[in-house]
Amino acid sequence: DAKTTQPPSMDCAEGRAANLPCNHSTISGNEYVYWYRQIHSQGPQYIIHGLKNNETNEMASLIITEDRKSSTLILPHATLRDTAVYYCIVRPEPNTGNQFYFGTGTSLTVIP
Amino acid sequence: GAVVSQHPSWVICKSGTSVKIECRSLDFQATTMFWYRQFPKQSLMLMATSNEGSKATYEQGVEKDKFLINHASLTLSTLTVTSAHPEDSSFYICSARMRQRRVGTEAFFGQGTRLTVV
Repeated sequence: DAKTTQPPSMDCAEGRAANLPCNHSTISGNEYVYWYRQIHSQGPQYIIHGLKNNETNEMASLIITEDRKSSTLILPHATLRDTAVYYCIVRPEPNTGNQFYFGTGTSLTVIP
Repeated sequence: GAVVSQHPSWVICKSGTSVKIECRSLDFQATTMFWYRQFPKQSLMLMATSNEGSKATYEQGVEKDKFLINHASLTLSTLTVTSAHPEDSSFYICSARMRQRRVGTEAFFGQGTRLTVV
């Protein structure tokens, strides 16, 4: 029951910033935006999450629009190892028991 | 960071046999574990949610008698695919939620188990 829309695929040149968009126009006030990625044949890896403020960690930055209907994950200097499927997920706040439902994600290919 | 380990990483079994997949949280207690299935070039599909000491909750369309889930301790959940058939061939992934939750600890995923039924 994914509530997000992402482009199916994107390419990015190595060393450049990768900007991955996500549309979540039906997001509720108590729902967070989470990003995970899945490298081929591995389990998903947590990247970042946020509610309404922009967030940054050692892996990426998350930019959420003021109306919260869309967001962008930014990998500032993409490397070949960032080639993966990136999933944008919306769900209620961290301490609820709700599950993660994955959409189709964006397959990012970093090109040498 | 927290580690979730699945075993085996891959398994090949004959049609009609049963296969058990283990999911362990190595350095934390997991009150809740989730099981997902992923077919080639598709997204992860949630199969069931298991809470320690209680029966698993299955998603619509997932046969509880075919996919047996046991969560007997705070660090171990098992998924048994009974009477496996070739259409059960898939990538099975578990995730675990920490007992003491803090920001960013909502789910840690195992590395997945590739099941091939021949």
